[in-house]
Amino acid sequence: ETGVTQTPRHLVMGMTNKKSLKCEQHLGHNAMYWYKQSAKKPLELMFVYNFKEQTENNSVPSRFSPECPNSSHLFLHLHTLQPEDSALYLCASSQVSPGELFFGEGSRLTVL
Amino acid sequence: AQKITQTQPGMFVQEKEAVTLDCTYDTSDPSYGLFWYKQPSSGEMIFLIYQGSYDQQNATEGRYSLNFQKARKSANLVISASQLGDSAMYFCAMRETSNFGNEKLTFGTGTRLTIIP
Repeated sequence: ETGVTQTPRHLVMGMTNKKSLKCEQHLGHNAMYWYKQSAKKPLELMFVYNFKEQTENNSVPSRFSPECPNSSHLFLHLHTLQPEDSALYLCASSQVSPGELFFGEGSRLTVL
Repeated sequence: AQKITQTQPGMFVQEKEAVTLDCTYDTSDPSYGLFWYKQPSSGEMIFLIYQGSYDQQNATEGRYSLNFQKARKSANLVISASQLGDSAMYFCAMRETSNFGNEKLTFGTGTRLTIIP
């Protein structure tokens, strides 16, 4: 039990599909993050939310659309993705931004 | 320029031996923080240890210690008495200020550590 739960753990989608990744944290944290982990590349920060407000968008293409309805939940909506978007998407939370990050187990995305 | 450099893509270490994972960083900020995370095959990133740039002493957490050499801009992770469960990817990360004025973590490419029985 990590305190940060991500679903689904694995997702395969075509380039024309629309899907969403979900993250939920049970730690009472105020900041939530999306990171992308591609093979042989450093983790890339995508989005940061502090108290439900987006405070960072790290030049992420618009085919990725985040949503943070409350401090405990974070979504990543996906549409018209490309094969190079295949990666492990990690959600994290912290008490404040920045702070010690607590990560989920990730959602492994494959785009065909 | 890469902010965090981990030069060892993979390492093999005999069980019970100590292991040092290298990390060098690049920043002009006087205030920064350095983190080490462990990522087992399950995918979860597990926080191990933190060192602040103004901390006088090297951080230690159980079998983990951070060899912080500020002048050399290095923050190597030392694992003493390695165990089979230590086999995982290890990431060094630095807290820095982003272009948006926020602080964020920047990660290195990682080192895959394999402990041999």
